[in-house]
Amino acid sequence: SQTIHQWPATLVQPVGSPLSLECTVEGTSNPNLYWYRQAAGRGLQLLFYSVGIGQISSEVPQNLSASRPQDRQFILSSKKLLLSDSGFYLCAWSPEGASYEQYFGPGTRLTVT
Amino acid sequence: GDSVTQMEGPVTLSEEAFLTINCTYTATGYPSLFWYVQYPGEGLQLLLKATKADDKGSNKGFEATYRKETTSFHLEKGSVQVSDSAVYFCALSDLGSGTYKYIFGTGTRLKVLA
Repeated sequence: SQTIHQWPATLVQPVGSPLSLECTVEGTSNPNLYWYRQAAGRGLQLLFYSVGIGQISSEVPQNLSASRPQDRQFILSSKKLLLSDSGFYLCAWSPEGASYEQYFGPGTRLTVT
Repeated sequence: GDSVTQMEGPVTLSEEAFLTINCTYTATGYPSLFWYVQYPGEGLQLLLKATKADDKGSNKGFEATYRKETTSFHLEKGSVQVSDSAVYFCALSDLGSGTYKYIFGTGTRLKVLA
């Protein structure tokens, strides 16, 4: 069966510090991968998605970036965090090339102070 | 572009009451439709899905019917429980649009009182 992991679960970082959030998927090959952000009490904002290694599509211009160094690994990064980067970050995957449902990770709660 | 519109929350109900959460969509192709549920502090879990017109998705007493003529996918449950308190998201995926994106509604918070 497939599983998706995210870490860390919670993170408190000062403004201006770097960020690295990691997401890995097990039990499937060549998944589509997604990063979302959910601000407090708000809906989901799609940040990045990837259909293959090294292929990243950005949905919202901001100080975040994403990389996919391996087939089942998706990393969200920032060189300098802003207060507005606080939120709940969710990674998700879906099977290659079809309108199947997405499967979400447990999320990372980021607080920028 | 594609979009999903959900009714504003929060929705507060007494236990055993009937639940309806409205969801309508716009899409260029023939989307698949989903309802996800999010419990506090957790990721989203798939609740049910429908992949073509007139399909009915159902799970845990919840159900929703894909209505192409009204572009709707309303979520219903005949008798809610306190444990159903959560945020519910309607979503669509439409590969006919040429992307692999999923479009989510803004979410509807449900609170069920004992």
